Amino acid sequence: AQSVTQPDIHITVSEGASLELRCNYSYGATPYLFWYVQSPGQGLQLLLKYFSGDTLVQGIKGFEAEFKRSQSSFNLRKPSVHWSDAAEYFCAVAPLNTNAGKSTFGDGTTLTVKP
Amino acid sequence: NAGVMQNPRHLVRRRGQEARLRCSPMKGHSHVYWYRQLPEEGLKFMVYLQKENIIDESGMPKERFSAEFPKEGPSILRIQQVVRGDSAAYFCASSDPHMNTEAFFGQGTRLTVV
Repeated sequence: AQSVTQPDIHITVSEGASLELRCNYSYGATPYLFWYVQSPGQGLQLLLKYFSGDTLVQGIKGFEAEFKRSQSSFNLRKPSVHWSDAAEYFCAVAPLNTNAGKSTFGDGTTLTVKP
Repeated sequence: NAGVMQNPRHLVRRRGQEARLRCSPMKGHSHVYWYRQLPEEGLKFMVYLQKENIIDESGMPKERFSAEFPKEGPSILRIQQVVRGDSAAYFCASSDPHMNTEAFFGQGTRLTVV
C-alpha cells in the first residue's frame, strides 16, 4: 500500500525567506504526485501536480516542486514566502492510470510566516 | 462554473442522531470521492462513487456509514447513530470522467458530535 510522509509537522519562516516542505512517498512505481494547500476552515486547493516528464514542476502562487525518483521525494519550494502563504500544506499520491481523486495524503505541514 | 458544493458547512449532532452530508460535484463531473479529516491529521479516503454506483468503498467504516450518488441530485454521505469519534471535517471531491488526472475539492462539512 502506498504511504506519504511529511516529516515536518510545523515550519516557521520569516516573510521573504525561502521555503522547502518535504514529502516522501512509498509506492511500487512512480505515482501521480500532488501538493495541496488548505487555509483555516477552507477546502483544498491544488498547487501543482506531477505525472511524467520534467521533474521540476511549476505551480500556482510561485510554488514549484521537484520529483526525485531515487529519493522517492517530491519537495515543495518557494523562493520568497509571503504572509498569505501561512496555511497547511498536504502532499498526496495516487497510482498511475487510476483516478487522481482516490489519493493518499500525508498528515500535512503547517506553515507559519513571521513578519 | 461553480465548484464542488458541500452543505451544510457546519453540522452539530447529538450522539445517536443521524448526519447527512451533501455534495454537488462540478458541472460535468460524474465521479465523486469522500474523504474524512480528523483533527491534526491528513485526509483519509473513504469512498469513490460514480452515478448510481459505488466503485470503491475500501475506506468506509463497516458500520453506520453509507454513501450514495443517485442519478439525479447530490451525493450523500450518511452517518447513522453518530458518536463523538465521528467529529471531523468531511470533504468531497469530484473529477471529470474523461480527465481523471485532477480532482477538485469542496470546502468541507465540519461535523461536531456533542
